[in-house]
Amino acid sequence: EVQLVESGGGLVQPGESLRLSCVASGFTFTPYTINWVRQAPGKGLEWISYISGDYRRIFYSDSVKGRFTVSRDNAKNSVYLQMDSLRVEDTAIYYCTRDMSYIQFEPWGQGTLVTVSS
Amino acid sequence: QSALTQPASVSGSPGQSITISCTGTSSDIGAYNYVSWFQQHPGKAPKLMISDVSVRPSGVSNRFSGSKSGTTASLTISGLQAEDEADYYCSSYTSFHTVIFGGGTKVTV
Repeated sequence: EVQLVESGGGLVQPGESLRLSCVASGFTFTPYTINWVRQAPGKGLEWISYISGDYRRIFYSDSVKGRFTVSRDNAKNSVYLQMDSLRVEDTAIYYCTRDMSYIQFEPWGQGTLVTVSS
Repeated sequence: QSALTQPASVSGSPGQSITISCTGTSSDIGAYNYVSWFQQHPGKAPKLMISDVSVRPSGVSNRFSGSKSGTTASLTISGLQAEDEADYYCSSYTSFHTVIFGGGTKVTV
């Protein structure tokens, strides 16, 4: 079964850091771009970052640029999202998703909840 | 970059057809034929319904269709069913090599 599983979410205070992981299984991981998309409580989807399979293409949304860093380890079928200087507005469910080709996002993970609050 | 513009809600009766619009700019929808639509039921992860403006992935009902004209994309659901009640999001690749989503449309059957 093709699957992505996120982990690493939790409750942190503003200004703190958190590292999310996304582990893939059921498919050949290396060729695929992996995206991170988040959804604040009761709000819509927001794309935040992607990393290509060859590590060469990395992009971020303006809302997280300079604070978040995406990386991957193809040997471990994993993608990571290092989130620094967290803000209250970063509170959301964070999903990782495989990009088959230009926003053909499937599958999606189940999501991991990040709560930033004092 | 601002989100793509979608109506907040659309409703229809079972069996009817509805269309959800998604308006962008010349830097996103108007620049590429890379528009996708996602369905999201409460508490669930999004599901890809349409990619490349009008391509249905395997397993998606042919009641769902997509189109684009200029800087506006559209998703049409025909023969509306109770199970279609969900939130729908459009998305587009942009000339900045990023991805942008619409604000979402709640479909009520």
